Amino acid sequence: SQQGEEDPQALSIQEGENATMNCSYKTSINNLQWYRQNSGRGLVHLILIRSNEREKHSGRLRVTLDTSKKSSSLLITASRAADTASYFCATGLYNTDKLIFGTGTRLQVFP
Amino acid sequence: DVKVTQSSRYLVKRTGEKVFLECVQDMDHENMFWYRQDPGLGLRLIYFSYDVKMKEKGDIPEGYSVSREKKERFSLILESTSTNQTSMYLCASRLAGGSETQYFGPGTRLLVL
Repeated sequence: SQQGEEDPQALSIQEGENATMNCSYKTSINNLQWYRQNSGRGLVHLILIRSNEREKHSGRLRVTLDTSKKSSSLLITASRAADTASYFCATGLYNTDKLIFGTGTRLQVFP
Repeated sequence: DVKVTQSSRYLVKRTGEKVFLECVQDMDHENMFWYRQDPGLGLRLIYFSYDVKMKEKGDIPEGYSVSREKKERFSLILESTSTNQTSMYLCASRLAGGSETQYFGPGTRLLVL
């Protein structure tokens, strides 16, 4: 199975609500990254959190990392219709240049 | 801003045809990657390149080859396409040194009939 698995697979909310997506992984990581993908497009990097960090913010995004539980969460506050997209976590492992991507969470924000 | 471009957004090919997918980045990045993306499977790494003329197999290299003759350009070659290669193909680039941020192109959606 995937190194990173997102939960839920799909999420529908109203504009203004918060959206929380979770990512679990299996092996020790160097960092964990979140990417967004609009329908039919490439991925856009959102935020990177290193293994020695517990929380990071960027605008309306808040990412947490719990290495003891091998999990991360992405919180989007005050969501907008433009946040509608798929969100992927990707784990960067030690001693490798690869990123391992999860299968993504599809977020739908209704106006 | 980093810009990664891919030669085609959509391609339709017949089984057995040869396909070149080209990726160009303008930020002098050493590392480049080719992924394919399929529903329910996420992104899977096909090949990557550390630098010019260097290549490494990813997780699913079978049926694919790559070429990196210039630093800015990384080509994915499907020598003889099959229907199971119908997919979205994504190219990415990254500055060398560890598993840091990757910058993606817009993707090529390939349909093999």
